[in-house]
Amino acid sequence: DAGVTQSPTHLIKTRGQQVTLRCSPKSGHDTVSWYQQALGQGPQFIFQYYEEEERQRGNFPDRFSGHQFPNYSSELNVNALLLGDSALYLCASSARDRGQDEQFFGPGTRLTVL
Amino acid sequence: GEDVEQSLFLSVREGDSSVINCTYTDSSSTYLYWYKQEPGAGLQLLTYIFSNMDMKQDQRLTVLLNKKDKHLSLRIADTQTGDSAIYFCAEEPLETGTYKYIFGTGTRLKVLA
Repeated sequence: DAGVTQSPTHLIKTRGQQVTLRCSPKSGHDTVSWYQQALGQGPQFIFQYYEEEERQRGNFPDRFSGHQFPNYSSELNVNALLLGDSALYLCASSARDRGQDEQFFGPGTRLTVL
Repeated sequence: GEDVEQSLFLSVREGDSSVINCTYTDSSSTYLYWYKQEPGAGLQLLTYIFSNMDMKQDQRLTVLLNKKDKHLSLRIADTQTGDSAIYFCAEEPLETGTYKYIFGTGTRLKVLA
């Protein structure tokens, strides 16, 4: 079992550009959550996808959007990048609706906005 | 506000016990978690405790929960240099939905040889 995988590992963009980050959940998991971790901070919840729909959302602007595919993988899109979007973006997968209680995190994508 | 509070730094000698403290915000939180993050890596789940428990022990790890004070602690026995990392506590308030965790700012543990 590969666990939660994310791509790319690192990414450098400039202000105003758009970025897409990808996540494959752990085998058997159907729920994907995205978190933003700024340097020196704890992760902050962006949104969660289940059954290809956004189920919950944190306090992030509409520039942050996502998608979940039928195979449960997910994308995070950020438009009109700002310097403050520089962070580690973590994907987490889970399957609580199937009776499992744990959420597993991927290694993250480190985004740098210049 | 939704601030889960942790002290920023803790330094201990190898072989000693470490105690990392956390104050969470929502008494409705059903699960409380401890995660470990090593440099450049994602989050590794160490342990979690259900809100109807006072204590949970898992090998070198002991979690204590004081619901009245909304205080959570993680004790690491016989701390090793490999335990050096950032430790995050997280709560999952009932009304915010499943898997929407609120994390603390993390405690950086440094283990001195």
